[in-house]
Amino acid sequence: GQNIDQPTEMTATEGAIVQINCTYQTSGFNGLFWYQQHAGEAPTFLSYNVLDGLEEKGRFSSFLSRSKGYSYLLLKELQMKDSASYLCAAQDSNYQLIWGAGTKLIIKP
Amino acid sequence: DVKVTQSSRYLVKRTGEKVFLECVQDMDHENMFWYRQDPGLGLRLIYFSYDVKMKEKGDIPEGYSVSREKKERFSLILESASTNQTSMYLCASSPGTGHTDTQYFGPGTRLTVL
Repeated sequence: GQNIDQPTEMTATEGAIVQINCTYQTSGFNGLFWYQQHAGEAPTFLSYNVLDGLEEKGRFSSFLSRSKGYSYLLLKELQMKDSASYLCAAQDSNYQLIWGAGTKLIIKP
Repeated sequence: DVKVTQSSRYLVKRTGEKVFLECVQDMDHENMFWYRQDPGLGLRLIYFSYDVKMKEKGDIPEGYSVSREKKERFSLILESASTNQTSMYLCASSPGTGHTDTQYFGPGTRLTVL
């Protein structure tokens, strides 16, 4: 079957670094997406990886290892506004997105 | 900027009522999707559409139907609402370019069925 696993909740301190992990099992693979979702709002696109390695976008970076079925989202210099849920989604061979349940990130001052 | 709008942010309906949720996108996207989101679960795909008048069942189509008469509009219909359909409903659209086919979401409709 197809499955995405990510931690339910994480807590970090303002100004620190946090890494949110995601493991996936899909029928075929055509890339890995990360989305941010603030409470009561729609998910917004953060990153897309299809090749192994690290993609950096300002304070946020995303890593992919296809051989391990593993990705992580790295958030640096955490700000209070980064408190949100982070959704991992893998694209299968039919280009359908398989979604994780999301990781709720709590930032403390 | 891509804009996806949904007809209501909050909706309260009674069991047995017919419910229409409307979604409109303004970026000429080929693909449109309806998801529901419940606590502790990932986004679950109800229906999607790759073209006008075309629809495909997602993972949980039971109790729902859809309509796509125009490219920019994708409607979700609950024929006879039930309490287990209380949820957040999210509409999304994507260009349909294959690999980096990023989905863009509307603000969501929180539906309560009493």
